[in-house]
Amino acid sequence: AQTVTQSQPEMSVQEAETVTLSCTYDTSESDYYLFWYKQPPSRQMILVIRQEAYKQQNATENRFSVNFQKAAKSFSLKISDSQLGDAAMYFCAYRRITSGTYKYIFGTGTRLKVLA
Amino acid sequence: EADIYQTPRYLVIGTGKKITLECSQTMGHDKMYWYQQDPGMELHLIHYSYGVNSTEKGDLSSESTVSRIRTEHFPLTLESARPSHTSQYLCASSVGPNTGELFFGEGSRLTVL
Repeated sequence: AQTVTQSQPEMSVQEAETVTLSCTYDTSESDYYLFWYKQPPSRQMILVIRQEAYKQQNATENRFSVNFQKAAKSFSLKISDSQLGDAAMYFCAYRRITSGTYKYIFGTGTRLKVLA
Repeated sequence: EADIYQTPRYLVIGTGKKITLECSQTMGHDKMYWYQQDPGMELHLIHYSYGVNSTEKGDLSSESTVSRIRTEHFPLTLESARPSHTSQYLCASSVGPNTGELFFGEGSRLTVL
C-alpha cells in the first residue's frame, strides 16, 4: 500500500527567508502524481505545485519549487522569499496515474509559521 | 478559485439530529470526494464517487452516507448526529486521469453537542 510521510509537524521561517518542507512516500508504482497542497487557517485548500513522476525536471511555480528524488522517494517543497501569507498547513499527497484509480493519499501535514 | 461550494460552513446541532452537508461543483467533474479532518490534522477519505449513481466508502469508516444523483451534487448525510461526529468535512472534486488536481470546497465545520 502507498504511504506518505511528513516528518515535520511544524516549521518556522523568518519573512523573506527560505524554508524546505520534507515529504517521503512509498510506492511500487513507476508512474504517479505528487502534490503539495496549502490550507490557510479557515480557508480553502489549494494546490501549490504538482509533479509527474515520469518527468525528471523538478516543478516550479514562482517562489515554490520541489526537489523530486524518485529513487529515494522524496518530494520536498522549497519556499523562497517567504511571505506572511505563506503561513498555513501544507500537505503532501500522492495519486496513482493508472486509469480507474483516483484516490489520493495525504501526509499528516506540516504547519508553517512565518515570523515577521 | 475553484467552483466547488459547501454549505453550511458552520453547524452546531444537538445529539440525535439528522444533518445533511451539501456539496456542489460547477466544473462538470466526474470524481467527487468527502474527507474528514480534525483541526490541524490529516485528511481521511470517508466517501468517494466516480460518477452518477456511483458511490464507495473510503478508508476511514464513517456512519455517514452519500448520494450522487446529479454530476454536480454530492451531499453527505448523518441520520443521527453524535458528539464523535464533531469535525470538519471537506468536499473535493477532480477530473481524471490526466490532470490529477483535486479541487476543494471551503469545508463544513460540524459541532455536535
